[in-house]
Amino acid sequence: GAGVSQSPRYKVAKRGQDVALRCDPISGHVSLFWYQQALGQGPEFLTYFQNEAQLDKSGLPSDRFFAERPEGSVSTLKIQRTQQEDSAVYLCASSLGGFHTSGANVLTFGAGSRLTVL
Amino acid sequence: DAKTTQPTSMDCAEGRAANLPCNHSTISGNEYVYWYRQIHSQGPQYIIHGLKNNETNEMASLIITEDRKSSTLILPHATLRDTAVYYCIVRVGTGGFKTIFGAGTRLFVKA
Repeated sequence: GAGVSQSPRYKVAKRGQDVALRCDPISGHVSLFWYQQALGQGPEFLTYFQNEAQLDKSGLPSDRFFAERPEGSVSTLKIQRTQQEDSAVYLCASSLGGFHTSGANVLTFGAGSRLTVL
Repeated sequence: DAKTTQPTSMDCAEGRAANLPCNHSTISGNEYVYWYRQIHSQGPQYIIHGLKNNETNEMASLIITEDRKSSTLILPHATLRDTAVYYCIVRVGTGGFKTIFGAGTRLFVKA
């Protein structure tokens, strides 16, 4: 597609519910990143995929957070047993280059999915 | 990745140039300087990047000091739509490294 598409744009969940957030990256982009952005803060890195491989998940805050990209394109971020502190905007970004690509690497972001946990 | 320091907020009059500074004194030789901005309720948007030389595109200019320890993003004729948070980031020039965002500079363009 022309840009990075995320859905849903808004999600309200009751505490304890599971949620799934979807990211459609730009076609052909090798790298995919998930970020979490709390109100008034900069985006915080969660995890990184190169194609279908999850090469870095150091930013996932707990084992309730799980991400996958099974066919190397669409990615899903799943949050189990949501807590109020999970309320944030979840941003997805993709880039053309992979881990061994030299030179500059520009990220294209989606509009984000705003999660509110009541 | 090297850490950056930016002012928390800045004001600029509409039509004037906005000069946003960034310090990155620990930058290493293979790290690029990137600028992104985030307008309310949108994802960050790429603006410009550079390694050693000054760069210009249709959105902005990037001035990097000779020692590469600081840079300035210049919006030549700021408009109200340029009101946003501007992030200065340095990272290695390979695709797989995560991009670390700081708090950025909140730029307010006033009529």
